[in-house]
Amino acid sequence: RKEVEQDPGPFNVPEGATVAFNCTYSNSASQSFFWYRQDCRKEPKLLMSVYSSGNEDGRFTAQLNRASQYISLLIRDSKLSDSATYLCVVNTGGTNAGKSTFGDGTTLTVKP
Amino acid sequence: SQTIHQWPATLVQPVGSPLSLECTVEGTSNPNLYWYRQAAGRGLQLLFYSVGIGQISSEVPQNLSASRPQDRQFILSSKKLLLSDSGFYLCAWSGPTYGYTFGSGTRLTVV
Repeated sequence: RKEVEQDPGPFNVPEGATVAFNCTYSNSASQSFFWYRQDCRKEPKLLMSVYSSGNEDGRFTAQLNRASQYISLLIRDSKLSDSATYLCVVNTGGTNAGKSTFGDGTTLTVKP
Repeated sequence: SQTIHQWPATLVQPVGSPLSLECTVEGTSNPNLYWYRQAAGRGLQLLFYSVGIGQISSEVPQNLSASRPQDRQFILSSKKLLLSDSGFYLCAWSGPTYGYTFGSGTRLTVV
């Protein structure tokens, strides 16, 4: 079993749709969690951190469920520009250590 | 503000040739530095990380090596490339409060 698992998709949704991605992790000692966005042939870029209480940034909402060991990303009112691969990242050593594990990513395509 | 530079952007090298990829960070001191590799259609694999000059931790045994000769310089090397070394190589640094900032990456094709 992988340490961090994501549904690879692809998710194909129309503009304006709401889409949700889940990511499960196996290490219960994991301390910090992030979502990254990666455009085709580009480097990943931090989308948002995931806090225990859940957090929202515009159309994006991230949630953490420690009991079930998963994090989620919800995108509302999808835009064409949201098309990308979304990577889940789990860190077992705090935010400043070298023990982050990346999921393989979930690909989203938003269509007109 | 902090910036990270990585070069070259693309590289085509024959099997058995050496490799040297360089990464430099500006605007921060004593950063944690990382080398990741991403195979086509796959996730990121941590290759090396460094918490300071001369301190290198290897995560995956292979024919690659890393060095940190200066605080803000991280180098990935190989003496003899294999076909399986092809991939997208990403340098990153992490700060004290949040996740990684990646360089723009080097797309390596070994032929």
